[in-house]
Order: sequence, then structure tokens, then C-alpha cells
Amino acid sequence: SYVLTQPPSVSVAPGKTARITCGGNNIGSKSVHWYQQRPGQAPVLVIHYDAARPSGIPERFSGSNSGNTATLTISRVEAGDEADYYCQVWDSSSHNRLVFGGGTKLTVL
Amino acid sequence: QVQLVESGGGVVQPGRSLRLSCAASGFSFSNFGMHWVRQAPGKGLEWVAAIWYHGNNKYYADAVKGRFTVSRDNSKDTLYLQMDSLRADDTAVYYCARGVEAQPIDYWGQGTLVTVSS
Repeated sequence: SYVLTQPPSVSVAPGKTARITCGGNNIGSKSVHWYQQRPGQAPVLVIHYDAARPSGIPERFSGSNSGNTATLTISRVEAGDEADYYCQVWDSSSHNRLVFGGGTKLTVL
Repeated sequence: QVQLVESGGGVVQPGRSLRLSCAASGFSFSNFGMHWVRQAPGKGLEWVAAIWYHGNNKYYADAVKGRFTVSRDNSKDTLYLQMDSLRADDTAVYYCARGVEAQPIDYWGQGTLVTVSS
């Protein structure tokens, strides 16, 4: 089955840039979506189709996807960005299923 | 605006059954695929099941295949998850969410907690 690998945690100082990676076999051939989840809340879509921002998501959020790694980049990090972040793909290679990465806890120092 | 409201969660004994519902509003429900996603306490997101617009195509995670059944009633704008033979490791918040295949999940409900315990 298809596996997405994320670092459990990333720490960054306010105003700096955070990069959260999502590794998967030839993930560059798939569409990757990213979700932000604050404690006690439902997830929110922050990047779709690798690099597009949904309406209402700040320009500070960006994404890329190539080879075996997709990356969510958050520029000028703010305290309010502290949350769990999940990458996601649809795996149709073996049988149809939706796959989430294990999640990354972003801590703003 | 789009709203997804789950209901039906609660405490249930191992081996028993429970049915979750998700009432959709603010969009043309019959035109969208839907997912169930769960999150065990302190854990990450786990996909459970998906159903296509018309309800004819259904897909399941290996962990629930043969025990859970996803269905929908487009006349009532409602999504369901029938959960049988529940186990302790099914304990989680269950979210219904809008999306299909490689498209992103663009709306989520607030979730309903299912606790499987004797």
C-alpha cells in the first residue's frame, strides 16, 4: 500500500520560514493536498493540487511537489500557524484509497 | 454556506453496531462524492471510506472492510456509515467530508465521537 512519510515535528521562530515535507514513492506523479488542524477543530484545506491556495488562505502558504517529496512552505510564520499539518493523496495504483501522511506538529518558538 | 453535521456517535460495547449520519446542506449533495475520515484520540487522520455521487462506487480502508458500510440517500442529502463488529481500536472522532478521488477534501464536518468500551 502507498505510504506518505512526514516528520513528526518541526519548530520555527516567528517570522522565519517553515518547511514540512511529505515523502512518497514517485509522489510527484500524484496530486498532493495539505490540511491544517488546530487542536479540537476539524482540518482545513490550505494547499491543493500541489501548490494552489484555496480562497482565504494567506499567500504565506505555498507548496511544491517533485520526485519523491512534496513540501509545504509557510513563510513569515505566525503564532497562529501552530497546528498539525497533514499531506494527502489519492492512491489508485493498487486499489482506490485515500492516504494521509502521519502528520507534522508545527511549533512556533 | 456548505454545512456537514454528523450525528449518531456515543459509547458502544465491543462487538455491537452503530450508525453514523451526516446531514449536508448548502450545496447540491447528489453532485459530490463523500468520505468518512476518523481520528483516534491523540492520533493522526485516518481515511475510512468513500462513496461516489450516485452511491454505486464505494471504497474502504483495509481496517474496516467487511465491518463498515458507507451509503447515502440523495433524496435526504444524508451520508451514512454503518459500523458493525466494533472494536476498541475503532474509538475515534468520525468526520464526514466532501471530496472524490484525487480532488481535495474541501469541507469537513465537526465530527462525532465514537467510543468503543465495555
